[in-house]
Amino acid sequence: GEDVEQSLFLSVREGDSSVINCTYTDSSSTYLYWYKQEPGAGLQLLTYIFSNMDMKQDQRLTVLLNKKDKHLSLRIADTQTGDSAIYFCAEKPGSGGSYIPTFGRGTSLIVHP
Amino acid sequence: EAGVVQSPRYKIIEKKQPVAFWCNPISGHNTLYWYRQNLGQGPELLIRYENEEAVDDSQLPKDRFSAERLKGVDSTLKIQPAELGDSAVYLCASSSGTSGVTQYFGPGTRLTVL
Repeated sequence: GEDVEQSLFLSVREGDSSVINCTYTDSSSTYLYWYKQEPGAGLQLLTYIFSNMDMKQDQRLTVLLNKKDKHLSLRIADTQTGDSAIYFCAEKPGSGGSYIPTFGRGTSLIVHP
Repeated sequence: EAGVVQSPRYKIIEKKQPVAFWCNPISGHNTLYWYRQNLGQGPELLIRYENEEAVDDSQLPKDRFSAERLKGVDSTLKIQPAELGDSAVYLCASSSGTSGVTQYFGPGTRLTVL
């Protein structure tokens, strides 16, 4: 079955870059996602990438995809205290037309002054 | 535009009691999802609706869980009877179209079963 792995914690200083990593096992994944969850809130979609792309940039966010190694990363430039949250990686399988995503356990990003 | 609305936000019940969660998706979104998120885990899909039809419900424990979306808009998720292991956050999400590339999540209902 599908499996998505993430490191559980990341601590960075305000103003530095953050890099959150994710590995997945389903080679047929078509979409890969990054979600942000703040305390007491639902998940907010930050960005997603098609599996035929290797990079996507959106303002301070850069997503890199290494399909050969099944490795996805999210880079946040100039990290701010407001970026402190849990970040979830998710993948959508390529078979069928339904959307049954598999989420990782989430990486808790702590930004300190 | 209002986002996905869920109520209640918090619920504390004793085991063996029934409980129900309500979700109002974003207007015009025909696909609705219920997820369960255990502490320290990512969300896991329980059931997906396309309009009134329930699809992808293989992860729904049908002996105690039920869901409905009678008019293809609001949805209710019920647990009867609740067990200690049901303590979790229950998230509702919606999307337009069936591919669900972009899902919008509600704030969730945090259930505590004592």
